[in-house]
Amino acid sequence: AQSVTQPDIHITVSEGASLELRCNYSYGATPYLFWYVQSPGQGLQLLLKYFSGDTLVQGIKGFEAEFKRSQSSFNLRKPSVHWSDAAEYFCAVGAGDDKIIFGKGTRLHILP
Amino acid sequence: DADVTQTPRNRITKTGKRIMLECSQTKGHDRMYWYRQDPGLGLRLIYYSFDVKDINKGEISDGYSVSRQAQAKFSLSLESAIPNQTALYFCATSDKSDTQYFGPGTRLTVL
Repeated sequence: AQSVTQPDIHITVSEGASLELRCNYSYGATPYLFWYVQSPGQGLQLLLKYFSGDTLVQGIKGFEAEFKRSQSSFNLRKPSVHWSDAAEYFCAVGAGDDKIIFGKGTRLHILP
Repeated sequence: DADVTQTPRNRITKTGKRIMLECSQTKGHDRMYWYRQDPGLGLRLIYYSFDVKDINKGEISDGYSVSRQAQAKFSLSLESAIPNQTALYFCATSDKSDTQYFGPGTRLTVL
């Protein structure tokens, strides 16, 4: 069965600094991979997704993620964070059976 | 207008009461889902439906039931609410690429 691990429950970075949020998945074949963001009091919004092809995926709000099959990872990155990026971030994996499994989330805090 | 709407947005109820959470979508998707979110636990799937005649249990369906009244409507019911069902509930739809689109959530408190 597929699973998703987000090792970091909380991450704190300074505004303007670079960011990397980690995600590891467990699945036998090539999965569908997603990153979602949840701002306080809001629903989840899709940042980016990977299905196939280029392993570096660009998303909205300046985010990107890289699929590394050898490491079973799909880490999310941003070169320079803004205070408005403070939110909770969820990695998710789909197996093509119309369901996706979410990680437990990483809460991002931004220092001014 | 939002593509996925949920009503109510907030609800406080008492133990033992029946409560229904409603979800409507204008995206034209066949697939709809109900999740609950608890701090530190991420999102857990309660029920999902691939069309009006197809209802499936998710990982935490005990204590919940659903109704798919139409392609656009998917309701979640708590027949007899209990305090540990206090959570944030999300409805979602998905297209054929497994991309999910979420409603704004319903915050439910059971006293």
